[in-house]
Amino acid sequence: GDSVTQMEGPVTLSEEAFLTINCTYTATGYPSLFWYVQYPGEGLQLLLKATKADDKGSNKGFEATYRKETTSFHLEKGSVQVSDSAVYFCALAAQGTGRRALTFGSGTRLQVQP
Amino acid sequence: GAGVSQSPSNKVTEKGKDVELRCDPISGHTALYWYRQSLGQGLEFLIYFQGNSAPDKSGLPSDRFSAERTGGSVSTLTIQRTQQEDSAVYLCASSFQGAGGQVEQFFGPGTRLTVL
Repeated sequence: GDSVTQMEGPVTLSEEAFLTINCTYTATGYPSLFWYVQYPGEGLQLLLKATKADDKGSNKGFEATYRKETTSFHLEKGSVQVSDSAVYFCALAAQGTGRRALTFGSGTRLQVQP
Repeated sequence: GAGVSQSPSNKVTEKGKDVELRCDPISGHTALYWYRQSLGQGLEFLIYFQGNSAPDKSGLPSDRFSAERTGGSVSTLTIQRTQQEDSAVYLCASSFQGAGGQVEQFFGPGTRLTVL
């Protein structure tokens, strides 16, 4: 079945540091890929998405590129802020299988220190 | 309302009791999803509705779990004879249409269920 693997957290960085959160996936066909973010005390929000190979999703300074050859969708940000502290979830949505549900990774907690 | 709403926000119950969790999706969203977020299992899919029908119930963990959706809007997730392992945050999401996996799912704040 489909699966998503994320790097384990927590990831602790200083403000303005470079962020990478690794995400790899296993899926039949060509899934759509997402990053969701969960800020403390809030619900899941879509951060960015990519629907086909080589697409780059971007939002709020975060970027991720859909790499079919390495089945990866790593999240990056050039300079993190304290306000980026949250849990980040990589997810996929299968295409062409009739399955509509998202398959999530286990989440990576990011802590940014001032 | 502007977003997906869920009630109650917190529910504490005794083992063996039944509970009902409610989800109000975004108006006009035809697809509705239930997920469960727990410490040991991460985010797990439970059930998907398209309109009032549930073409995918594959994530329901046992026959103690059931869900319904009426009028293509509100959904209720029912857990009968609750067990301690049912303790989790239950999340509801909705999307504009179920066709295609790339449509964004909008999540509610969740219901935190604690079974004593």
